[in-house]
Amino acid sequence: QKEVEQNSGPLSVPEGAIASLNCTYSDRVSQSFFWYRQYSGKSPELIMSIYSNGDKEDGRFTAQLNKASQYVSLLIRDSQPSDSATYLCAVSSGSARQLTFGSGTQLTVLP
Amino acid sequence: DAGVIQSPRHEVTEMGQEVTLRCKPISGHNSLFWYRQTMMRGLELLIYFNNNVPIDDSGMPEDRFSAKMPNASFSTLKIQPSEPRDSAVYFCASSSLTSGTQYFGPGTRLTVL
Repeated sequence: QKEVEQNSGPLSVPEGAIASLNCTYSDRVSQSFFWYRQYSGKSPELIMSIYSNGDKEDGRFTAQLNKASQYVSLLIRDSQPSDSATYLCAVSSGSARQLTFGSGTQLTVLP
Repeated sequence: DAGVIQSPRHEVTEMGQEVTLRCKPISGHNSLFWYRQTMMRGLELLIYFNNNVPIDDSGMPEDRFSAKMPNASFSTLKIQPSEPRDSAVYFCASSSLTSGTQYFGPGTRLTVL
């Protein structure tokens, strides 16, 4: 069974700090990796996708992928209280396009 | 462009009643996914369609659940009869076969009394 593991948290960081969110996955043939943000009572919103080993930066967000270690992470620089949400890691394998989601990490950015 | 549209946004019903949830995917997307989210089990994939054809329904919990996609712009998820343990938020998501990125609708919060 394909598994995606995340530290459920809660993770608290002070405003302006770097928040680091981690995710591991079990299926070695996984090809596509996504980070979704979900505010309380809202639907998941895509914030980053990554397909190749290394780093991908988009504004304050950086996704990091290491396929050999089956590990993907999300860094949020200059964290803001508005970043407080649950962050979901999702992994897709092969041509099926279906996603397996982790249980999410709850992030709180303290003013 | 309009995103994924779901209706109703909230549904309260009594045990034993039939519930129908509706979804309109993003225009041009040819994959549609139904998820259920609860505190205990997180986000679970129930069923997904490619080009209106059900591909994998292994996540559908019981025969009480059924889903249809009669055309590219409409899908339904039906629960009959509903039970209190079906209470959850049900999300619909769509994607194109080429990109694989899924976009979620606002969800339907179902409460079965």
